[in-house]
Amino acid sequence: NAGVTQTPKFRVLKTGQSMTLLCAQDMNHEYMYWYRQDPGMGLRLIHYSVGEGTTAKGEVPDGYNVSRLKKQNFLLGLESAAPSQTSVYFCASSYRGGTSGASYEQYFGPGTRLTVT
Amino acid sequence: TQLLEQSPQFLSIQEGENLTVYCNSSSVFSSLQWYRQEPGEGPVLLVTVVTGGEVKKLKRLTFQFGDARKDSSLHITAAQPGDTGLYLCAGNNDMRFGAGTRLTVKP
Repeated sequence: NAGVTQTPKFRVLKTGQSMTLLCAQDMNHEYMYWYRQDPGMGLRLIHYSVGEGTTAKGEVPDGYNVSRLKKQNFLLGLESAAPSQTSVYFCASSYRGGTSGASYEQYFGPGTRLTVT
Repeated sequence: TQLLEQSPQFLSIQEGENLTVYCNSSSVFSSLQWYRQEPGEGPVLLVTVVTGGEVKKLKRLTFQFGDARKDSSLHITAAQPGDTGLYLCAGNNDMRFGAGTRLTVKP
């Protein structure tokens, strides 16, 4: 049981390049999330999905796209990278209902450190 | 928009000391989670509090949910270097996180 995995772990892009970050979970979770983490700003939600084939915008969606074609995978795409997208990106997943009845007890991947020059 | 304010932002203490960190909001939450994040890793869930006034203990960590379900606190007794990390709170309503309290426990 690997939990939540993310690939790649590190990436350097030049401004204008595109890339896709892959997140996979083996816990049969319905919900999946993409966050970015910047110093002093905590975790900010980019996009999320409440089930296969559905996605929704979070707090900071501009410049990103996502897809959830399979329940276990959630992809985050950057079509034209900008230096402002330099960050650490975390994927997370959760059951529809957690052990305490709360929907959003999240399990996180190890993160992808992205630098855009 | 439900903002979660965590305080203090930074805390550096000696091993064996006690400490309390806070998570405050003007909004009511159906539940609230606390996570700990170590350098280079993703956050790990510590606890979920659901009921106003609820107190949960996890070894030397005590979590309390405010009576009005707008705030929460985390108290650590006899802190150890292994407690070092970024402590994050998250409200259940819209998946927002506070900016965190960065705790350093010196041996």
